[in-house]
Amino acid sequence: NAGVTQTPKFQVLKTGQSMTLQCAQDMNHNSMYWYRQDPGMGLRLIYYSASEGTTDKGEVPNGYNVSRLNKREFSLRLESAAPSQTSVYFCASSEGPAGPPNEQYFGPGTRLTVT
Amino acid sequence: QKEVEQDPGPLSVPEGAIVSLNCTYSNSAFQYFMWYRQYSRKGPELLMYTYSSGNKEDGRFTAQVDKSSKYISLFIRDSQPSDSATYLCAMSSGGFKTIFGAGTRLFVKA
Repeated sequence: NAGVTQTPKFQVLKTGQSMTLQCAQDMNHNSMYWYRQDPGMGLRLIYYSASEGTTDKGEVPNGYNVSRLNKREFSLRLESAAPSQTSVYFCASSEGPAGPPNEQYFGPGTRLTVT
Repeated sequence: QKEVEQDPGPLSVPEGAIVSLNCTYSNSAFQYFMWYRQYSRKGPELLMYTYSSGNKEDGRFTAQVDKSSKYISLFIRDSQPSDSATYLCAMSSGGFKTIFGAGTRLFVKA
């Protein structure tokens, strides 16, 4: 039981390049989330998927797109990377809505640098 | 103004000390209050949660919520070097959106 896995662990992009961050969970959770974590800002929600087939914007969705490929997988795409998107990206999943008792389980993160 | 304010620290204490971590918030709709622990270069893990006001104790950890003051606290008794981590408060009014504080870095010296 791996929990939430993310690939890649590290990535360096040049401004304007595109990339997709992959996330998968093996806990049969309905809901999945993408966050970014910046110093002094805490975790901020980019997009979430309440259930398979649905996606919704979070607090900071500009410059990102998501795809809920199936119940297990939720990807985050940067179409044209900008230095402001340098951050650590975390994927999370939960059984249902993110408040207790539905605990969010987080992946190990992807460290992205855009030069 | 951020919805959730948390002092980033760092906070450095000797082993065995009582640690107090705090957050303030502005949204009176929040009713779920959580504390996450994040070790260096790892994802956050849920440590404790409380619903509405009151206290909750789990071993060496106690979480307190004062909704009238919009203030939450996490106390760690008999702190250990293994408690060295970043502690994130988080809040939700239900649904799928959770608001996180910036996190407080804690160092417990042996």
